[in-house]
Amino acid sequence: KQEVTQIPAALSVPEGENLVLNCSFTDSAIYNLQWFRQDPGKGLTSLLLIQSSQREQTSGRLNASLDKSSGRSTLYIAASQPGDSATYLCAVMGNNNDMRFGAGTRLTVKP
Amino acid sequence: NAGVMQNPRHLVRRRGQEARLRCSPMKGHSHVYWYRQLPEEGLKFMVYLQKENIIDESGMPKERFSAEFPKEGPSILRIQQVVRGDSAAYFCASSPLAFSGSLYEQYFGPGTRLTVT
Repeated sequence: KQEVTQIPAALSVPEGENLVLNCSFTDSAIYNLQWFRQDPGKGLTSLLLIQSSQREQTSGRLNASLDKSSGRSTLYIAASQPGDSATYLCAVMGNNNDMRFGAGTRLTVKP
Repeated sequence: NAGVMQNPRHLVRRRGQEARLRCSPMKGHSHVYWYRQLPEEGLKFMVYLQKENIIDESGMPKERFSAEFPKEGPSILRIQQVVRGDSAAYFCASSPLAFSGSLYEQYFGPGTRLTVT
């Protein structure tokens, strides 16, 4: 059974700092991995999707990497801003179309 | 193209009542997924449906919960005789095809927050 773990559970950084969020999964037989952002009381916003054959994806200040063999993904946020404050969720899609989520990392960027 | 729509956004029910949560997928999407997010926990898969078919309900509680996705109309997640432990955010997602080349992705709705009093 696929298990997804995100570390750290919470992170507080000053504005402008670069940071890395970590995601690990136990079963490397995945179809893709997706990073989401969730704001309090709101739905999910998809940030980046990495197919199993890809190593990384970039969008603006965000870069996500995937090492399928070791069961790890990282989300790198450059030059963090207070508006980046949210919970970041990692989700892996298995080959039988099931998606499993981590518990998330709650990020606070202080002005 | 409107995104995935869920209604109501907030639902309050007393213990023992029924809760009906609706999800309208994105236009052109025929696959719907329901997830539950309990307080302080991650999202957990509940059920995966195509039109008129339940494909995978491995995450659904065995009792009181049911889901459908009829030929016409939205997908419905139904919770009978709700209990306090059912209080959670319920998210729906849709996708165009289960595996659409290499670009498969689920699009999420804003969620329905159920509070059982």
